[in-house]
Amino acid sequence: GAVVSQHPSWVICKSGTSVKIECRSLDFQATTMFWYRQFPKQSLMLMATSNEGSKATYEQGVEKDKFLINHASLTLSTLTVTSAHPEDSSFYICSATRGTSQETQYFGPGTRLLVL
Amino acid sequence: GENVEQHPSTLSVQEGDSAVIKCTYSDSASNYFPWYKQELGKRPQLIIDIRSNVGEKKDQRIAVTLNKTAKHFSLHITETQPEDSAVYFCAASTPGNQFYFGTGTSLTVIP
Repeated sequence: GAVVSQHPSWVICKSGTSVKIECRSLDFQATTMFWYRQFPKQSLMLMATSNEGSKATYEQGVEKDKFLINHASLTLSTLTVTSAHPEDSSFYICSATRGTSQETQYFGPGTRLLVL
Repeated sequence: GENVEQHPSTLSVQEGDSAVIKCTYSDSASNYFPWYKQELGKRPQLIIDIRSNVGEKKDQRIAVTLNKTAKHFSLHITETQPEDSAVYFCAASTPGNQFYFGTGTSLTVIP
Protein backbone atom coordinates (compact mmCIF):
# COMPACT_ATOMS: atom_id res chain seq x y z
CA GLY A 1 0.00 0.00 0.00
CA ALA A 2 0.83 3.71 0.12
CA VAL A 3 1.19 4.43 -3.58
CA VAL A 4 1.53 7.98 -4.84
CA SER A 5 1.17 8.85 -8.49
CA GLN A 6 1.98 11.98 -10.43
CA HIS A 7 0.73 13.20 -13.75
CA PRO A 8 2.16 14.04 -16.15
CA SER A 9 5.51 12.32 -15.82
CA TRP A 10 7.07 14.52 -18.48
CA VAL A 11 5.98 17.85 -19.91
CA ILE A 12 7.47 20.31 -22.37
CA CYS A 13 5.90 23.74 -22.67
CA LYS A 14 6.55 27.13 -24.15
CA SER A 15 7.73 30.02 -22.03
CA GLY A 16 4.80 31.99 -20.62
CA THR A 17 2.37 29.11 -20.41
CA SER A 18 1.09 27.50 -17.23
CA VAL A 19 1.54 23.86 -16.34
CA LYS A 20 -0.48 21.85 -13.84
CA ILE A 21 0.99 18.80 -12.11
CA GLU A 22 -1.23 16.39 -10.22
CA CYS A 23 -0.26 14.32 -7.22
CA ARG A 24 -2.57 11.55 -6.09
CA SER A 25 -2.49 9.10 -3.22
CA LEU A 26 -4.01 5.98 -4.75
CA ASP A 27 -4.72 3.75 -1.79
CA PHE A 28 -4.72 5.99 1.24
CA GLN A 29 -5.93 9.36 2.40
CA ALA A 30 -3.11 11.85 2.52
CA THR A 31 -3.53 14.38 5.25
CA THR A 32 -0.39 16.18 4.20
CA MET A 33 1.29 16.44 0.84
CA PHE A 34 4.65 17.98 0.09
CA TRP A 35 6.05 19.45 -3.09
CA TYR A 36 9.74 19.29 -3.85
CA ARG A 37 11.94 20.53 -6.62
CA GLN A 38 15.09 18.72 -7.65
CA PHE A 39 17.80 19.98 -9.99
CA PRO A 40 20.12 17.50 -11.68
CA LYS A 41 22.48 15.87 -9.23
CA GLN A 42 21.15 17.96 -6.40
CA SER A 43 19.03 17.38 -3.35
CA LEU A 44 15.31 17.64 -2.91
CA MET A 45 14.28 21.18 -2.06
CA LEU A 46 11.04 21.51 -0.13
CA MET A 47 8.82 24.04 -1.84
CA ALA A 48 5.63 23.82 0.18
CA THR A 49 3.58 21.76 2.59
CA SER A 50 -0.05 21.24 1.72
CA ASN A 51 -2.84 20.18 4.05
CA GLU A 52 -6.25 19.23 2.74
CA GLY A 53 -8.71 22.08 2.81
CA SER A 54 -6.25 24.74 3.87
CA LYS A 55 -3.73 27.01 2.24
CA ALA A 56 -0.30 25.64 1.53
CA THR A 57 2.66 26.69 3.62
CA TYR A 58 5.47 27.85 1.37
CA GLU A 59 9.14 27.71 2.18
CA GLN A 60 11.13 30.89 2.23
CA GLY A 61 12.08 32.01 -1.24
CA VAL A 62 9.31 30.13 -3.01
CA GLU A 63 6.87 32.43 -4.80
CA LYS A 64 3.33 31.42 -3.91
CA ASP A 65 1.90 33.30 -6.87
CA LYS A 66 4.27 31.48 -9.16
CA PHE A 67 3.71 28.01 -7.78
CA LEU A 68 0.03 27.61 -7.00
CA ILE A 69 -0.84 24.66 -4.82
CA ASN A 70 -4.32 23.30 -4.32
CA HIS A 71 -5.11 20.41 -2.00
CA ALA A 72 -8.78 19.96 -2.71
CA SER A 73 -9.24 16.46 -1.36
CA LEU A 74 -7.49 13.89 0.78
CA THR A 75 -6.18 12.14 -2.31
CA LEU A 76 -5.28 14.98 -4.66
CA SER A 77 -2.95 17.93 -4.62
CA THR A 78 -2.02 20.01 -7.63
CA LEU A 79 0.93 22.26 -8.35
CA THR A 80 0.50 24.85 -11.08
CA VAL A 81 3.58 26.55 -12.42
CA THR A 82 2.23 29.83 -13.72
CA SER A 83 3.83 31.74 -16.59
CA ALA A 84 6.62 29.21 -16.75
CA HIS A 85 10.10 30.29 -17.79
CA PRO A 86 13.17 28.22 -18.70
CA GLU A 87 14.56 28.60 -15.18
CA ASP A 88 11.50 26.71 -13.91
CA SER A 89 12.68 23.64 -15.77
CA SER A 90 13.26 21.01 -13.14
CA PHE A 91 12.14 17.71 -11.66
CA TYR A 92 9.11 18.21 -9.42
CA ILE A 93 8.32 15.48 -6.89
CA CYS A 94 5.40 15.26 -4.53
CA SER A 95 5.10 13.13 -1.43
CA ALA A 96 2.36 12.31 1.02
CA THR A 97 1.97 11.17 4.57
CA ARG A 98 -0.98 9.27 5.92
CA GLY A 99 -1.48 10.75 9.35
CA THR A 100 -1.15 13.95 11.27
CA SER A 101 1.85 12.78 13.23
CA GLN A 102 5.27 12.40 11.74
CA GLU A 103 5.30 9.51 9.38
CA THR A 104 7.03 8.08 6.43
CA GLN A 105 6.72 10.10 3.29
CA TYR A 106 5.65 8.24 0.19
CA PHE A 107 7.02 9.82 -2.93
CA GLY A 108 5.45 10.17 -6.32
CA PRO A 109 7.50 9.24 -9.39
CA GLY A 110 8.18 12.87 -10.24
CA THR A 111 7.36 15.17 -13.13
CA ARG A 112 10.08 16.41 -15.39
CA LEU A 113 9.28 19.92 -16.68
CA LEU A 114 11.13 21.49 -19.58
CA VAL A 115 10.26 25.06 -20.46
CA LEU A 116 11.46 26.19 -23.86
CA GLY B 1 14.55 26.78 9.76
CA GLU B 2 16.26 23.44 9.79
CA ASN B 3 19.60 23.04 8.00
CA VAL B 4 20.80 19.55 7.13
CA GLU B 5 24.35 18.93 5.95
CA GLN B 6 25.50 15.66 4.45
CA HIS B 7 28.97 14.23 3.78
CA PRO B 8 30.57 13.00 1.67
CA SER B 9 28.98 14.12 -1.58
CA THR B 10 30.51 11.18 -3.43
CA LEU B 11 31.71 7.84 -2.14
CA SER B 12 33.27 4.89 -3.91
CA VAL B 13 33.81 1.57 -2.18
CA GLN B 14 34.83 -1.90 -3.24
CA GLU B 15 32.14 -4.52 -3.25
CA GLY B 16 31.94 -6.13 0.16
CA ASP B 17 33.32 -3.11 2.00
CA SER B 18 31.29 -0.85 4.26
CA ALA B 19 29.99 2.61 3.44
CA VAL B 20 29.25 5.35 5.94
CA ILE B 21 27.37 8.57 5.25
CA LYS B 22 27.05 11.29 7.85
CA CYS B 23 24.53 14.07 8.38
CA THR B 24 24.21 16.92 10.82
CA TYR B 25 21.17 18.99 11.60
CA SER B 26 20.65 22.32 13.27
CA ASP B 27 17.17 22.28 14.80
CA SER B 28 17.19 20.51 18.15
CA ALA B 29 13.41 20.09 17.82
CA SER B 30 13.83 17.70 14.88
CA ASN B 31 12.84 14.25 16.02
CA TYR B 32 12.50 12.01 13.00
CA PHE B 33 15.36 11.11 10.67
CA PRO B 34 14.70 9.03 7.55
CA TRP B 35 17.18 7.94 4.91
CA TYR B 36 16.24 7.63 1.26
CA LYS B 37 17.81 5.90 -1.70
CA GLN B 38 17.25 7.42 -5.11
CA GLU B 39 18.23 5.68 -8.29
CA LEU B 40 18.73 7.74 -11.41
CA GLY B 41 15.49 9.27 -12.63
CA LYS B 42 13.39 7.55 -9.99
CA ARG B 43 11.61 8.55 -6.85
CA PRO B 44 13.33 8.44 -3.46
CA GLN B 45 12.65 5.26 -1.54
CA LEU B 46 12.76 5.05 2.23
CA ILE B 47 15.38 2.55 3.35
CA ILE B 48 15.53 3.13 7.09
CA ASP B 49 14.47 5.70 9.64
CA ILE B 50 15.08 6.52 13.27
CA ARG B 51 13.25 8.54 15.85
CA SER B 52 14.86 10.73 18.45
CA ASN B 53 14.10 8.40 21.32
CA VAL B 54 16.32 5.71 19.79
CA GLY B 55 20.09 5.73 19.39
CA GLU B 56 20.54 3.00 16.83
CA LYS B 57 18.47 0.93 14.45
CA LYS B 58 19.49 -1.92 12.19
CA ASP B 59 17.84 -3.67 9.29
CA GLN B 60 19.97 -6.41 7.76
CA ARG B 61 22.94 -4.71 6.08
CA ILE B 62 21.75 -1.20 6.86
CA ALA B 63 22.03 0.61 10.17
CA VAL B 64 21.48 4.14 11.35
CA THR B 65 22.88 5.81 14.46
CA LEU B 66 21.71 9.03 16.05
CA ASN B 67 23.54 11.32 18.45
CA LYS B 68 21.02 13.88 19.64
CA THR B 69 23.51 15.81 21.74
CA ALA B 70 25.83 16.34 18.81
CA LYS B 71 22.93 16.59 16.35
CA HIS B 72 24.29 14.12 13.90
CA PHE B 73 23.18 10.84 12.46
CA SER B 74 24.83 8.34 10.20
CA LEU B 75 23.95 5.62 7.72
CA HIS B 76 26.03 2.47 7.67
CA ILE B 77 25.86 -0.05 4.85
CA THR B 78 27.84 -3.24 5.33
CA GLU B 79 28.84 -5.85 2.75
CA THR B 80 28.05 -3.45 -0.05
CA GLN B 81 26.80 -4.78 -3.37
CA PRO B 82 26.73 -3.16 -6.82
CA GLU B 83 22.97 -2.69 -6.53
CA ASP B 84 23.59 -0.42 -3.55
CA SER B 85 24.97 2.16 -6.00
CA ALA B 86 22.61 5.17 -5.91
CA VAL B 87 22.22 8.58 -4.38
CA TYR B 88 21.38 8.55 -0.69
CA PHE B 89 19.65 11.39 1.09
CA CYS B 90 19.24 11.95 4.78
CA ALA B 91 16.42 14.07 6.10
CA ALA B 92 15.34 15.66 9.34
CA SER B 93 11.75 16.27 10.26
CA THR B 94 10.47 18.76 12.77
CA PRO B 95 7.37 18.24 14.92
CA GLY B 96 5.56 20.44 12.41
CA ASN B 97 6.04 17.56 9.95
CA GLN B 98 8.28 19.45 7.59
CA PHE B 99 11.10 17.49 6.05
CA TYR B 100 14.47 18.94 5.16
CA PHE B 101 16.86 16.93 3.06
CA GLY B 102 20.61 16.70 3.01
CA THR B 103 22.52 17.41 -0.18
CA GLY B 104 22.88 13.77 -1.10
CA THR B 105 25.70 11.25 -1.40
CA SER B 106 26.39 9.50 -4.65
CA LEU B 107 27.54 6.00 -3.71
CA THR B 108 29.33 3.79 -6.22
CA VAL B 109 30.07 0.20 -5.36
CA ILE B 110 32.85 -1.15 -7.53
CA PRO B 111 32.51 -4.84 -8.40
